[in-house]
Parts: sequence; C-alpha cells; structure tokens
Amino acid sequence: GQNIDQPTEMTATEGAIVQINCTYQTSGFNGLFWYQQHAGEAPTFLSYNVLDGLEEKGRFSSFLSRSKGYSYLLLKELQMKDSASYLCAVTTEDYQLIWGAGTKLIIKP
Amino acid sequence: IAGITQAPTSQILAAGRRMTLRCTQDMRHNAMYWYRQDLGLGLRLIHYSNTAGTTGKGEVPDGYSVSRANTDDFPLTLASAVPSQTSVYFCATASSGGTHNEQFFGPGTRLTVL
Repeated sequence: GQNIDQPTEMTATEGAIVQINCTYQTSGFNGLFWYQQHAGEAPTFLSYNVLDGLEEKGRFSSFLSRSKGYSYLLLKELQMKDSASYLCAVTTEDYQLIWGAGTKLIIKP
Repeated sequence: IAGITQAPTSQILAAGRRMTLRCTQDMRHNAMYWYRQDLGLGLRLIHYSNTAGTTGKGEVPDGYSVSRANTDDFPLTLASAVPSQTSVYFCATASSGGTHNEQFFGPGTRLTVL
C-alpha cells in the first residue's frame, strides 16, 4: 500500500532551526512536494524535489533521498508566522499525488 | 475573479439532501482536482480532471460525482449526503497533470452533514 509518515506535531522556538521529516512507501516515485497550510486556510506550495539532494529557497530548504524513501523540510530563523501545518506529498508511478497527514509546527517566543 | 474561488464557504446540510460545491478558476489551468481534508488524515483525492471534457476517479470517489464542461468550472456533487461526508473540501488546479506541476488550492468549503 501507499504510506507517507510525518510527525504529528513539533514545537520549536522563535529564531531557531527545525527539521520536519517525511518518509514514504509508494508505488514508484515521480517527485515529492512540501506545502504549508495555516489553520483554516488552503495549502500553499513550498518546494518540489525529484532528484536526490538539497533544494534551498530562502529560509526553507528541502532534502530528498530516493533510496531511503526520505525527505525533510528545514526551516531556519523561525518566525511566529511559520506556525502552520507542513504537508508532504509524493507523486507515484501512475501520477497520483499521495498526501501525508501533515506536521503541525508550533513556534514559541 | 482572482485565482480559484469556491462556493459556498460553508454549509450545513441535512442527510439525504443533494449538494453541489462549486469551483471556478481564471488561471486557464488544464488540470483540476477535488480533495477532502479530515482531521488526522492527509488530503484525499475525490475526483480529478486533466483537461476539459475528461474526468477520473481518485482515492475516495464513492458518493461524489463531477463534471468538466469547460476549462474554468469543476463542480462536485453529493447526490445524497451522509454524515461521513462532513469534511473540508478543497478544489485545486495545476497547469497540467504533469508530475512536477505544483497545485494551487482554493479557499475551501466546510461542509457539515447532519
């Protein structure tokens, strides 16, 4: 079956760094997305990885290891506005997008 | 219209009633999707359309139907609502159904079936 695992909730301090992990077991792989979703709002795109390695975009970076079925989202210099849920999603071999349940990130002052 | 609109924003519906959730986009995207989001679960795909005139079933299609008469509109119909269909429904679009294309989401419809 298809499975994407993320921690349910994480807490971090303003100004710090946090790493949100995502592991996946899917029928094939055609790319991995990270989305941010603030409470009561729609998800918005953060990053896309299809090759192994690190993709950096400002304070956010995303890493992929296809051989390990593993990705992480790294958030630096945390701000209060980063409090949100972070969703990992994988495109499978038949081009379906499978979503993880999301990680709720709580930022404390 | 700017981006993706969904209507209604929220709705309380009696079980057994028919309901259509509307989704309209002005981005001229070919691909459109309907998801439901429930607490503790990931987004689950209900139906999708890769281009006007075509539709496909997602992970949880039972009890729902869609149509795609033109590029801009992708309504989702619940023929006879049941309480298990209480959820937040998101419509999304992508420029095409390709694997690398990010999806853009509408603001969502919160549906409660009593």
